[in-house]
Amino acid sequence: TQLLEQSPQFLSIQEGENLTVYCNSSSVFSSLQWYRQEPGEGPVLLVTVVTGGEVKKLKRLTFQFGDARKDSSLHITAAQPGDTGLYLCRGGSSGDKLTFGTGTRLAVRP
Amino acid sequence: KAGVTQTPRYLIKTRGQQVTLSCSPISGHRSVSWYQQTPGQGLQFLFEYFSETQRNKGNFPGRFSGRQFSNSRSEMNVSTLELGDSALYLCASSYTRGGRSGTDTQYFGPGTRLTVL
Repeated sequence: TQLLEQSPQFLSIQEGENLTVYCNSSSVFSSLQWYRQEPGEGPVLLVTVVTGGEVKKLKRLTFQFGDARKDSSLHITAAQPGDTGLYLCRGGSSGDKLTFGTGTRLAVRP
Repeated sequence: KAGVTQTPRYLIKTRGQQVTLSCSPISGHRSVSWYQQTPGQGLQFLFEYFSETQRNKGNFPGRFSGRQFSNSRSEMNVSTLELGDSALYLCASSYTRGGRSGTDTQYFGPGTRLTVL
């Protein structure tokens, strides 16, 4: 079973601060996705990265796929209360196996 | 375009009972996947259906089953409920097989919150 460990598990920060969330595994993934889940809702896809070393930006969010395709990071600049939620990474690999990470719960205080 | 809908949104059952959850995918989507989400275990894959056939299955006991109809709507059934089955059950749909490449976009419903007493 491929495991995706996310860190930190919980993060509470003040509006305007920067933060980085990590997604790590000992396994290689062919692709990696990041989702955000708000209370009472299902996860919503933020980004998909497929190339080692790839960096994608989505407004204040920057996603990076590790060179070895075993890890990824999500950096948020100038966090806002609307960024509050559960952030999940999901790794894709051969054999139709997809694994969700353990999740990082982010709270941004106004 | 309407999103993924799940019914019911909340459900309370007692141990030993069985339950059926329903999921209507986005129009045109043929793949439906089911997940269980708990605070302790996170989001775990149950199974995926595509064109009425189960294509992929997670590590859950046989008490968990599902099916997909010709209109792509899907149902999930849990028999002989246990306290540990209390969870948020999420359904996700995609146009192609959700687990095929890991790059497909899956659209999640709001979930059904099941409480087993």
